[in-house]
Amino acid sequence: AQTVTQSQPEMSVQEAETVTLSCTYDTSESDYYLFWYKQPPSRQMILVIRQEAYKQQNATENRFSVNFQKAAKSFSLKISDSQLGDAAMYFCAYIIPQGGSEKLVFGKGTKLTVNP
Amino acid sequence: GAGVSQSPSNKVTEKGKDVELRCDPISGHTALYWYRQSLGQGLEFLIYFQGNSAPDKSGLPSDRFSAERTGGSVSTLTIQRTQQEDSAVYLCASSSYRGTGIGQYFGPGTRLTVT
Repeated sequence: AQTVTQSQPEMSVQEAETVTLSCTYDTSESDYYLFWYKQPPSRQMILVIRQEAYKQQNATENRFSVNFQKAAKSFSLKISDSQLGDAAMYFCAYIIPQGGSEKLVFGKGTKLTVNP
Repeated sequence: GAGVSQSPSNKVTEKGKDVELRCDPISGHTALYWYRQSLGQGLEFLIYFQGNSAPDKSGLPSDRFSAERTGGSVSTLTIQRTQQEDSAVYLCASSSYRGTGIGQYFGPGTRLTVT
């Protein structure tokens, strides 16, 4: 079964500090895409960052970066200089683009609290 | 449109009634997805439409659930004879390319409460 595991149900960080959210996944495929989505209380799922599995270079988007370890099937998200607006649920997910379906497989999420 | 829109935002219905949830994808996006988000099950894939291809219905939990996409744009998710376990947030997403993993863009969801 294809699964995504986020081992930290909740995390907290002080404003301006750095926090890392963990994610591991299980797939036998070699070609896939990984994502981190943010869901604030407004319910809107927002794409934070994406990573192609065939790329060794870790993706970066402003204060957000990932540590992608393909052999370990690990895909952690680092948030630098945390801001109050970063408080949300964070979901790790992947897509395997083959066949007729490109459904996202999600982890259970990590609730991030940012303390002022 | 600027983003994916869904209606209604919230829906309360009585057990046994039918409900229809609507999704307007981003203009030009050929792929459309429905997901369900519930406390117990997390985020679950329901159904996927891509252009004129046959939809992937593998995530629909029962035959009470159906969805259609008219004209390659708007989609309606229908739940017949609603049950209390159908209470959840139903999220719609769309994307523009196939096979590139460019990412899906989500609507704000419809919160369905079955009483």
